[in-house]
Amino acid sequence: NAGVMQNPRHLVRRRGQEARLRCSPMKGHSHVYWYRQLPEEGLKFMVYLQKENIIDESGMPKERFSAEFPKEGPSILRIQQVVRGDSAAYFCASQESMGQNTEAFFGQGTRLTVV
Amino acid sequence: TQLLEQSPQFLSIQEGENLTVYCNSSSVFSSLQWYRQEPGEGPVLLVTVVTGGEVKKLKRLTFQFGDARKDSSLHITAAQPGDTGLYLCAGENSSASKIIFGSGTRLSIRP
Repeated sequence: NAGVMQNPRHLVRRRGQEARLRCSPMKGHSHVYWYRQLPEEGLKFMVYLQKENIIDESGMPKERFSAEFPKEGPSILRIQQVVRGDSAAYFCASQESMGQNTEAFFGQGTRLTVV
Repeated sequence: TQLLEQSPQFLSIQEGENLTVYCNSSSVFSSLQWYRQEPGEGPVLLVTVVTGGEVKKLKRLTFQFGDARKDSSLHITAAQPGDTGLYLCAGENSSASKIIFGSGTRLSIRP
């Protein structure tokens, strides 16, 4: 059973471009979380999705950021018109279900650098 | 707002020493996980505790869940340089809409 797959591992974008980060959850997992991490800091929650639904996006900036988890295919975190402050590591985690003490498993992250 | 506070934020000790990291909240969690993250990698799950008062051991690591399921601790015996990393606790509450992470404890073990 493959783990959580994120791609790309590293992404370089110029200011003003768009960044698309992909996360394929573990097989059978229908819940996905996205987190952002700055160097030497902990994980900051961004958004929690189930297939075709955004459950909680309270940690995601209202502008330029969006996330989706379609019925088929990976979850996508999209950042439009990137700025230098968007440079960070972005991690996704998947979980089989919520509320049944099931564990979340992380991907290896996408490191976004905005130049 | 449910918060998980971890202490200390940073810890640097000599190889062979013992240490304890704490994870505290005012909220009750149905389960709590501990993760370790190494530089350049994603967090890796170490353990899940579910029952109040539960103690789990993983080699030199001992995890305890508080009786009231509001706090947890991680104790490392005879720390080794390979224990270096960011340790994160995370709690799940059946009424919450997401897993909540602590801000982490950054551990450095000096040879």
